Amino acid sequence: AQSVTQLDSHVSVSEGTPVLLRCNYSSSYSPSLFWYVQHPNKGLQLLLKYTSAATLVKGINGFEAEFKKSETSFHLTKPSAHMSDAAEYFCVVSLLSGGYQKVTFGTGTKLQVIP
Amino acid sequence: EPEVTQTPSHQVTQMGQEVILRCVPISNHLYFYWYRQILGQKVEFLVSFYNNEISEKSEIFDDQFSVERPDGSNFTLKIRSTKLEDSAMYFCASSLGQGRANVLTFGAGSRLTVL
Repeated sequence: AQSVTQLDSHVSVSEGTPVLLRCNYSSSYSPSLFWYVQHPNKGLQLLLKYTSAATLVKGINGFEAEFKKSETSFHLTKPSAHMSDAAEYFCVVSLLSGGYQKVTFGTGTKLQVIP
Repeated sequence: EPEVTQTPSHQVTQMGQEVILRCVPISNHLYFYWYRQILGQKVEFLVSFYNNEISEKSEIFDDQFSVERPDGSNFTLKIRSTKLEDSAMYFCASSLGQGRANVLTFGAGSRLTVL
């Protein structure tokens, strides 16, 4: 069984300040982990992925995430928020099971960026 | 960059009507998926499709739902007799393979409103 928990449903930051979106996962085996972003009325866009290589993963738009097995976490960070970062962010865990990829989404974190 | 294309972007229908949502996956991808997101809730898995058959489905995917790949490019989701609770954003996704590094590419979604 696998699950993913996004600890904050809403996060509000000022433009130019750091962003931290938290994600914890639960998985029987080594999972793949992803962050997707959804802008209003848009689809899901991949930000970054962890698939067992380097534990610090860099993504698009200056985002990065660190896989910490001991803490079962995969938090998303960005040094300086931009207005265009306002969106909903989903942490996703994927596990190969029975030959097929089982993908589980977190409940999402809405990021608000204040000018 | 290759995209997954979904049509229509928004459909309004009366309860009890049949609805077909269409998707054009990325051309060399082999695995196809439908997910849905009820407003304010998490993204949920509906069904995965490979080699012209359903490989996995969730308990949401009951007899009212069906999927088809009629012509080798389109991948459709049919809801036979829509209910109010089918109102949601439906996302199509595709992937090249099923290994750890394979990422699902999502479409922009089709918003279904059942009145």
